[in-house]
Amino acid sequence: EAQVTQNPRYLITVTGKKLTVTCSQNMNHEYMSWYRQDPGLGLRQIYYSMNVEVTDKGDVPEGYKVSRKEKRNFPLILESPSPNQTSLYFCASRKTGGLRVGEQFFGPGTRLTVL
Amino acid sequence: DQQVKQNSPSLSVQEGRISILNCDYTNSMFDYFLWYKKYPAEGPTFLISISSIKDKNEDGRFTVFLNKSAKHLSLHIVPSQPGDSAVYFCAAGIVGSNYKLTFGKGTLLTVNP
Repeated sequence: EAQVTQNPRYLITVTGKKLTVTCSQNMNHEYMSWYRQDPGLGLRQIYYSMNVEVTDKGDVPEGYKVSRKEKRNFPLILESPSPNQTSLYFCASRKTGGLRVGEQFFGPGTRLTVL
Repeated sequence: DQQVKQNSPSLSVQEGRISILNCDYTNSMFDYFLWYKKYPAEGPTFLISISSIKDKNEDGRFTVFLNKSAKHLSLHIVPSQPGDSAVYFCAAGIVGSNYKLTFGKGTLLTVNP
């Protein structure tokens, strides 16, 4: 089954404790992206990657890191989480080009709470 | 600066009637638009898209209309079904901009049996 998976789905942590949220896709997509969803703000892009070893900042990159060492994986790293990073996080992927303009496939989400 | 606006946080309709979800945008550079549907505890799923060279795109019960002069698009669902109850996000993008999508805040649609 074609899908984007994220782990963990739920995480409660404390300020300053480094964490990684994993994202993996099995569709051989070149493009991957991370979003956060906050009440009243919709989805905002954190980082994106056009292909292996190619990453760039989105609209809200502060406090986050990413890496793209393999095509299928795009982990999101919070080196020193803070309470303002409490949010619902989505990973997405898409094939570059493609028939459907703009369609991105989203993972199920990771709900992160930073105390 | 919110470039994609969904001014109705929620909408309630009766089963079988038409649901109309609206979206406005401010950036005239956007040249494609999408609607995503999101159920609780799931990620958004693609619903329908439209290019700026068109003013209408239809897929089954879902039709998206684009009015470029008004910078407005709408999603029509006919007939509405209880399973359509979800949050609907409008998103916009610019060809050649590294596939970046700008999302609206979403509209919660409730279809009552």
